[in-house]
Amino acid sequence: GESVGLHLPTLSVQEGDNSIINCAYSNSASDYFIWYKQESGKGPQFIIDIRSNMDKRQGQRVTVLLNKTVKHLSLQIAATQPGDSAVYFCAENQRGNTGKLIFGQGTTLQVKP
Amino acid sequence: NAGVTQTPKFRVLKTGQSMTLLCAQDMNHEYMYWYRQDPGMGLRLIHYSVGEGTTAKGEVPDGYNVSRLKKQNFLLGLESAAPSQTSVYFCASKERLDSGELFFGEGSRLTVL
Repeated sequence: GESVGLHLPTLSVQEGDNSIINCAYSNSASDYFIWYKQESGKGPQFIIDIRSNMDKRQGQRVTVLLNKTVKHLSLQIAATQPGDSAVYFCAENQRGNTGKLIFGQGTTLQVKP
Repeated sequence: NAGVTQTPKFRVLKTGQSMTLLCAQDMNHEYMYWYRQDPGMGLRLIHYSVGEGTTAKGEVPDGYNVSRLKKQNFLLGLESAAPSQTSVYFCASKERLDSGELFFGEGSRLTVL
C-alpha cells in the first residue's frame, strides 16, 4: 500500500542554522504532498504543500523540495528559531474521492539556543 | 471562529466501558476525519466522512464506530474500550476534496485501564 515515511525521528539544530527534514514515499503515482507542524499538546497545523507538477515551493522561511525520481521530499526551514521546535509530519493526499491524508511517523525538531 | 472543537479533552475509562468523542466544526466543511496518534506511529486514520450522512473505514477502524448525522458534527464511539485504545485522538476537517489543508482539533487524550 501507499506509505510516507520520515528518515530521522529526531533532529537537533542550533538556533539560527537551517534545518532540513526529509521524507520518502513509496507510490510513484502519488502527486500531492503536505507538511504539518505539531507543537506539544496541540493538533497538527498545515505548513506548506506541493503538487507533483512542481519541484520546489517556497513559503515564509520554509521551502519544500520534491524529487520524483527518487520519491523523496524535504522541508527546509531557514534561520531556525526556538518557536520552530515541534514534530514535523509529511503527508500524502490520496488520489480518489475520499480526500484522505496518509501521514508519516514524524520528526522531532529540537532547536538549541 | 472556533474551528474544530473536540470534547472531552481527557478521559479515563475502565476496560469494557463505552464512550463517545464529539467533534464539532463551524467552517461548513464537507470532509471530516478521526485519527489516533501513538508514540512512534504518527497519525493513523480511523474513520472518515465525505459528507453528512456518510461514513467510511480508514486504516485502523476495528473497535470504533462513527456517525455524521449533522454536517458540523462527527462522533467517534468506543463500544467496549480496550487498553490498546489508549491514545490521543484527533479530529480534522477540510473544505475541498483536493485540498491538503486539514484543520485539526486540539486532541482528546483517552486512557483505558
